[in-house]
Amino acid sequence: DSGVTQTPKHLITATGQRVTLRCSPRSGDLSVYWYQQSLDQGLQFLIQYYNGEERAKGNILERFSAQQFPDLHSELNLSSLELGDSALYFCASSPHEGIAGRSDTQYFGPGTRLTVL
Amino acid sequence: DAKTTQPPSMDCAEGRAANLPCNHSTISGNEYVYWYRQIHSQGPQYIIHGLKNNETNEMASLIITEDRKSSTLILPHATLRDTAVYYCIVRPRVEVQGAQKLVFGQGTRLTINP
Repeated sequence: DSGVTQTPKHLITATGQRVTLRCSPRSGDLSVYWYQQSLDQGLQFLIQYYNGEERAKGNILERFSAQQFPDLHSELNLSSLELGDSALYFCASSPHEGIAGRSDTQYFGPGTRLTVL
Repeated sequence: DAKTTQPPSMDCAEGRAANLPCNHSTISGNEYVYWYRQIHSQGPQYIIHGLKNNETNEMASLIITEDRKSSTLILPHATLRDTAVYYCIVRPRVEVQGAQKLVFGQGTRLTINP
């Protein structure tokens, strides 16, 4: 158990809909990262938040957005869903901003499996 | 933009040491080598990381060659629960653009056989 929690574990929805995935980081961690894992793309970094502010962005679609709240939990919002958005979505957390020199290891949650029908 | 090369699959007998190689010939002096594993569709699990010295923890040992162009992850006494996909990741040490993200390649699918 990494200490990172994600809800829900499974989500089934229809095309065109909007969903929200939730992540609670490990106690004391200030950074939250979101990753997407699909069959054809592997694990891909989407976005990072550090202490409430966006820090880094990957290949995140404009239909996707995220935020980190004052209690440090984060939500990933996916809208206008398409079949290709079906994937595992993982959240990770780390103590600092994500600079490896600080041994800022990322610890992953169990993921949310999204199925778009 | 993964900077590592790993064999796609490996087998190992239960109880034996599993040695997983990784080539990172373009690694620079300010980049760490990280190892994660993913069991089935669970979240990736951190194993170990290092810069240039060999490292050991309760899970594994990491051996980095002197020129730092390759490394080997060693699971000393593999069990069936070690069956997973193992990812070797090179990550910048200092704050450069993109340093925060982990870039996962295809990894090595390790199967531990009874």
